[in-house]
Amino acid sequence: DVKVTQSSRYLVKRTGEKVFLECVQDMDHENMFWYRQDPGLGLRLIYFSYDVKMKEKGDIPEGYSVSREKKERFSLILESASTNQTSMYLCASSLKGARGNTIYFGEGSWLTVV
Amino acid sequence: GQQLNQSPQSMFIQEGEDVSMNCTSSSIFNTWLWYKQDPGEGPVLLIALYKAGELTSNGRLTAQFGITRKDSFLNISASIPSDVGIYFCAGPPLGGYQKVTFGTGTKLQVIP
Repeated sequence: DVKVTQSSRYLVKRTGEKVFLECVQDMDHENMFWYRQDPGLGLRLIYFSYDVKMKEKGDIPEGYSVSREKKERFSLILESASTNQTSMYLCASSLKGARGNTIYFGEGSWLTVV
Repeated sequence: GQQLNQSPQSMFIQEGEDVSMNCTSSSIFNTWLWYKQDPGEGPVLLIALYKAGELTSNGRLTAQFGITRKDSFLNISASIPSDVGIYFCAGPPLGGYQKVTFGTGTKLQVIP
């Protein structure tokens, strides 16, 4: 079974802090994603990566950056956290290729910025 | 960015009833995916559809890939309390197969 692990389930951070959300997958997937989920808005794509050191902006990249130094690990960085970044963050991975569009998710990280 | 419209947004049903929800897009999709998210967890894949017109079942769940490739529906038969959760449609638009877009979700509540 594919396993996507997010390092922290619940975090509380102060406004202006730098925040790192870490994600690791164990199935050698090429693609990795970061989404945020907010009530009524569904899942919105922040960034995705289709290979090591490669990244592409999703639909809402402002205020975020990412890092993919190793194939299995994809980090989301909030350079200076703000209260409007309070949300649930979901990491996901998938294989490259047409049938690899099925995405496997981690359990989510609940971030509260105060 | 691209967003998929799901309806209904939420629904309350009696245990044992059948449920139907659908998803539409302004763009053509080459894959449709249906996920379920239990409270406090990440979404889990239920059904994947790869061809226009395809009808696929997974237990009490049935999903179809619309002929126009711009819509999909999910049916749940004989609902049970553990069907509670949020259901998301998702898919990559044609030509953007790496970038999967999700719907706004349908929240299902089942009354025992």
